[in-house]
Amino acid sequence: KAGVTQTPRYLIKTRGQQVTLSCSPISGHRSVSWYQQTPGQGLQFLFEYFSETQRNKGNFPGRFSGRQFSNSRSEMNVSTLELGDSALYLCASSLGQGGSNTEAFFGQGTRLTVV
Amino acid sequence: AQTVTQSQPEMSVQEAETVTLSCTYDTSESDYYLFWYKQPPSRQMILVIRQEAYKQQNATENRFSVNFQKAAKSFSLKISDSQLGDAAMYFCAYRSVGDKIIFGKGTRLHILP
Repeated sequence: KAGVTQTPRYLIKTRGQQVTLSCSPISGHRSVSWYQQTPGQGLQFLFEYFSETQRNKGNFPGRFSGRQFSNSRSEMNVSTLELGDSALYLCASSLGQGGSNTEAFFGQGTRLTVV
Repeated sequence: AQTVTQSQPEMSVQEAETVTLSCTYDTSESDYYLFWYKQPPSRQMILVIRQEAYKQQNATENRFSVNFQKAAKSFSLKISDSQLGDAAMYFCAYRSVGDKIIFGKGTRLHILP
């Protein structure tokens, strides 16, 4: 069974540009969450999607957005990139919310560098 | 708001010895889940162990076990017979039903040969 796949693995962008990151969850998983990981702030929750609906949202500016498709694949978009957006972006999938389906399985992340 | 605190930014342990990583959390919920994740240098987060708050019995997975103290809101991870491959960043995490996972800042574990 394939794990969580994130593409691309590495990305270098210029300030002001926009970027789209992709995440394919484990087959059968309907929940996808996104996290930003930086040395100073640790893992910060961006948003969670379940069955194409945003269920939870973290405290990030509106430049950060996401969506989920009917096949559960998810994309995250960051517009007007800033130097501070440089981070490892992690995607996690889980079967669903609540009950015994609470554990998340992570992808290898996308390392975004903004110059 | 729920919070997760890992008070040890770094720890070292001799190979084959036992080490305990600390974690405390704050919540007003009664039903929730706790996790320990491992992030090796390859950076992929791997679930090490999970604990349901309604279960009194401490979870165990091979060399990994937890000490879950619900009243004290404490959830420590014990690694027995430490191996070189255990070197990684360890994150304690909390999730209430239907909500997002909240992570601690992490503890970097070094294994000394």
